[in-house]
Amino acid sequence: GENVEQHPSTLSVQEGDSAVIKCTYSDSASNYFPWYKQELGKRPQLIIDIRSNVGEKKDQRIAVTLNKTAKHFSLHITETQPEDSAVYFCAASHSLYSSASKIIFGSGTRLSIRP
Amino acid sequence: KAGVTQTPRYLIKTRGQQVTLSCSPISGHRSVSWYQQTPGQGLQFLFEYFSETQRNKGNFPGRFSGRQFSNSRSEMNVSTLELGDSALYLCASSLGWSGLGTDTQYFGPGTRLTVL
Repeated sequence: GENVEQHPSTLSVQEGDSAVIKCTYSDSASNYFPWYKQELGKRPQLIIDIRSNVGEKKDQRIAVTLNKTAKHFSLHITETQPEDSAVYFCAASHSLYSSASKIIFGSGTRLSIRP
Repeated sequence: KAGVTQTPRYLIKTRGQQVTLSCSPISGHRSVSWYQQTPGQGLQFLFEYFSETQRNKGNFPGRFSGRQFSNSRSEMNVSTLELGDSALYLCASSLGWSGLGTDTQYFGPGTRLTVL
């Protein structure tokens, strides 16, 4: 069945360093890849997303890259800050003018920023 | 626009009871998905409703059911509760099949269910 694998499950980086989280998907029809951040006790919030017709997207300190051939995509956070500490989820879905939109989430990465 | 709302926020039940959770999507959103979140288990997909029809279903037993009303509000029901059903239940809304190719899901605050 469809699957999204996310690594690592936990990540600890020094404040100011970069953090990278990687995901691999199995459904080659996937064309939309969002990333969610969930702070402790809060709901998941969309932080960035990318569509299959784009290889990279940046938003300030956050960037996402997509390699469709290898079926993997990554989240890059530069100049990490304490408020970046959270659980991050990647996801993959395929829906474009179709009747079914199924989104599969990765298992999450707990990112801790060391002061 | 008001965000996704869920009621109740907290619930305590005992084994064998049943429970109904409610989710009101963002105005204009027609798709509502439900997820179970437990420590270390990430987001487990339960089901998705679109235009009052269940469109996708995860691997959960039949004790878990849902429905969607004409105003897109959705309810989730769990019958014969078990201790293992204790979790945070999140719903998420999206535009759904709108021809716009937009799948962004917006999550509600969740309902924390504790089964004793």
